[in-house]
Amino acid sequence: DSGVTQTPKHLITATGQRVTLRCSPRSGDLSVYWYQQSLDQGLQFLIQYYNGEERAKGNILERFSAQQFPDLHSELNLSSLELGDSALYFCASSVEAGNTDTQYFGPGTRLTVL
Amino acid sequence: DAKTTQPNSMESNEEEPVHLPCNHSTISGTDYIHWYRQLPSQGPEYVIHGLTSNVNNRMASLAIAEDRKSSTLILHRATLRDAAVYYCILRDRNNDMRFGAGTRLTVKP
Repeated sequence: DSGVTQTPKHLITATGQRVTLRCSPRSGDLSVYWYQQSLDQGLQFLIQYYNGEERAKGNILERFSAQQFPDLHSELNLSSLELGDSALYFCASSVEAGNTDTQYFGPGTRLTVL
Repeated sequence: DAKTTQPNSMESNEEEPVHLPCNHSTISGTDYIHWYRQLPSQGPEYVIHGLTSNVNNRMASLAIAEDRKSSTLILHRATLRDAAVYYCILRDRNNDMRFGAGTRLTVKP
């Protein structure tokens, strides 16, 4: 158990809909990262937040947005969903935001878009 | 972005050492080399990281070439629980973790 929690575990929805994925980082961790893992693209970094502020952006679509709240939990919002958005979404957290910090990954949310 | 190249798959026998190679010929001086692994149906987990010197921890050892263009993750005694996809990642000052396809390690009893 990494200490990172993600809800829900599974989500099934239809094309065109909007969903919100939630992540609670490990106690004391200030950075939160979001990743998407699909069969054809592998693990892709989406976005990073550090202490409430966006720190780095990866391959995140404009239809997707995220935020980190004052209590440090984070939400990833996916809108106008397409079939290709079906994937595992992982959240990770680390103490700081440096390139030596260990990232601890949650168990993931499996999104299925029908 | 600096990229890494790993074999798609490797096999090992249980209780034997495993050497997982990674090439990163375009690595820059400030890039750290990280290894993560992903067990079936789980999120990735940290294994080890280093910059220039070889590193050891309770899970594995990391051997880094003198020119830093390649590295090797060493599992000293593979167990069935070590069967996973192993990712070699370069992290620069931007801190992005760019995962490649990784190496799928199969451990045979």
